[in-house]
Amino acid sequence: NAGVMQNPRHLVRRRGQEARLRCSPMKGHSHVYWYRQLPEEGLKFMVYLQKENIIDESGMPKERFSAEFPKEGPSILRIQQVVRGDSAAYFCASSPGQAGGSYEQYFGPGTRLTVT
Amino acid sequence: SQKIEQNSEALNIQEGKTATLTCNYTNYSPAYLQWYRQDPGRGPVFLLLIRENEKEKRKERLKVTFDTTLKQSLFHITASQPADSATYLCALYNAGNMLTFGGGTRLMVKP
Repeated sequence: NAGVMQNPRHLVRRRGQEARLRCSPMKGHSHVYWYRQLPEEGLKFMVYLQKENIIDESGMPKERFSAEFPKEGPSILRIQQVVRGDSAAYFCASSPGQAGGSYEQYFGPGTRLTVT
Repeated sequence: SQKIEQNSEALNIQEGKTATLTCNYTNYSPAYLQWYRQDPGRGPVFLLLIRENEKEKRKERLKVTFDTTLKQSLFHITASQPADSATYLCALYNAGNMLTFGGGTRLMVKP
């Protein structure tokens, strides 16, 4: 059973470009979460999605950031017009959700975004 | 405001000893508390979950306690090994399937 997959593992973008980060949850998991980890800081929640729905985006910056989890395909975190302050590790996690009776989250290896 | 505090200083212990890490929180009423391990350059890995009505949970060499009166969880690793060296994260599950993480404590186990 493959774990949470994220790609790319490393992404370099120039200021002003767009970054697209992909996440495929574990098989059977319908809940996806995105977190950001700045250097020497803790994990910060960004957004929680279920298939085709954003459930909670209270941690997302108001501008330039968006997320989706389409009916088919991976979840995408999109950052438009990147700035140096967006440089961080972005982690995706999945869970079966409450209906699955499990509250732990399974994390992917992360995408390390560097903005030059 | 809500806070989750873990000791930001690294904890250095000798192999074979018990490591004890602390997680304190304020202005939360968590239904669950979880502990994760994170190695450098990797994503967190789930270790243990403890519910608000449980005092203690064990898994092999790991033990977690949860005191909702003190608003504190203690995470113990007995008979520690160098391979236990990592950053350990405390996370609170409040509502809406959202986890809020503490800043983590780095554990270094010396042979």
